[in-house]
Amino acid sequence: DQQVKQNSPSLSVQEGRISILNCDYTNSMFDYFLWYKKYPAEGPTFLISISSIKDKNEDGRFTVFLNKSAKHLSLHIVPSQPGDSAVYFCAASVGFGNEKLTFGTGTRLTIIP
Amino acid sequence: SAVISQKPSRDICQRGTSLTIQCQVDSQVTMMFWYRQQPGQSLTLIATANQGSEATYESGFVIDKFPISRPNLTFSTLTVSNMSPEDSSIYLCSVTSADTYEQYFGPGTRLTVT
Repeated sequence: DQQVKQNSPSLSVQEGRISILNCDYTNSMFDYFLWYKKYPAEGPTFLISISSIKDKNEDGRFTVFLNKSAKHLSLHIVPSQPGDSAVYFCAASVGFGNEKLTFGTGTRLTIIP
Repeated sequence: SAVISQKPSRDICQRGTSLTIQCQVDSQVTMMFWYRQQPGQSLTLIATANQGSEATYESGFVIDKFPISRPNLTFSTLTVSNMSPEDSSIYLCSVTSADTYEQYFGPGTRLTVT
């Protein structure tokens, strides 16, 4: 039972344009969501998070949007840069902080120069 | 954020043997976790490593197969026992930051079982 889904296994975006990565979840108990970026041969790197009490969180070029009624979140990267090419995982937890994370299957983002 | 190191970074092991993976953090942390990422799959939580008590395992993972130690607040080990080719994965430890409560991951251990 895949509780967190990323339906696009890959995405290609032109440098300078907006990258939009999507994530859906089924467990209505999830109330904290995170995005991680992963380069080959490295561990995932935390990018940005959002609590269910918000519908938007922004950090520099990265913005996460949460639509609780649709059980959907998205990560926007503007403008996209070649260094953004990586696999992006969304993750969710019940509770904030010391709780286990349930990960999606990942989306491989390729930025085309 | 915490700096996390893992040893070994990769290994090739024979079926039926065991491998112990070490995770070292540069600061004291409350929570440490062990994850597995099988080829082409997502990250799956194996267990929460508790300091001073037994690890808490997720459904589908058992202590006999994946014994975990956590002797102090900066160090943990995961052993993959009696390995089979299906255990070929990347094994990652993670910790929760005491400041931000975000989870940070080590670089991973790439295990291949032949």
